[in-house]
Amino acid sequence: AQSVTQPDIHITVSEGASLELRCNYSYGATPYLFWYVQSPGQGLQLLLKYFSGDTLVQGIKGFEAEFKRSQSSFNLRKPSVHWSDAAEYFCAVVSYNFNKFYFGSGTKLNVKP
Amino acid sequence: DTGVSQDPRHKITKRGQNVTFRCDPISEHNRLYWYRQTLGQGPEFLTYFQNEAQLEKSRLLSDRFSAERPKGSFSTLEIQRTEQGDSAMYLCASSSTGTGTEAFFGQGTRLTVV
Repeated sequence: AQSVTQPDIHITVSEGASLELRCNYSYGATPYLFWYVQSPGQGLQLLLKYFSGDTLVQGIKGFEAEFKRSQSSFNLRKPSVHWSDAAEYFCAVVSYNFNKFYFGSGTKLNVKP
Repeated sequence: DTGVSQDPRHKITKRGQNVTFRCDPISEHNRLYWYRQTLGQGPEFLTYFQNEAQLEKSRLLSDRFSAERPKGSFSTLEIQRTEQGDSAMYLCASSSTGTGTEAFFGQGTRLTVV
């Protein structure tokens, strides 16, 4: 069965520091993977996606993620965090026929000034 | 078209009342999803439409929940005889058909059952 694990519930980083949010997935075939961001009381906004090809994908707002099949991971990174990046981040895998997205439980990012 | 629209944004209801939420997807999208999100959790799948056909329902969707998508355009999610455990954010998303398409989410409807 498909599932996504985000091991870190909360992360706090200083503004300007680098960031890595972890995501591990369980899926039987080649996964389609996503990272979404959610600000308080808002819906989800897509940051980036991986379907095939280059395992390092670039997204919006300076984010990138690397797909590592051997580790079943799709970690999100940003070299320098801005205060406006404080939000909750969700990793997701979609079923093969795109009828269902499976989300992790999220990582809440706090940014210290 | 500015994205997926959900109405209302907030709903407070008394236990036992019925509530209905509406979702207007991006106009050219034929896939529509409903998700439920409780505090501190990721969204959980409720149901999925392709055009007007409801193709999958989660076991989370008890017989008090029903969703429709007449004519394959907007969708409604109704909860009958609401319970306090129904308090959550209800998210709607839409996508186009085909591999490689992401789901675009609305801002959600926050339901509070008192």
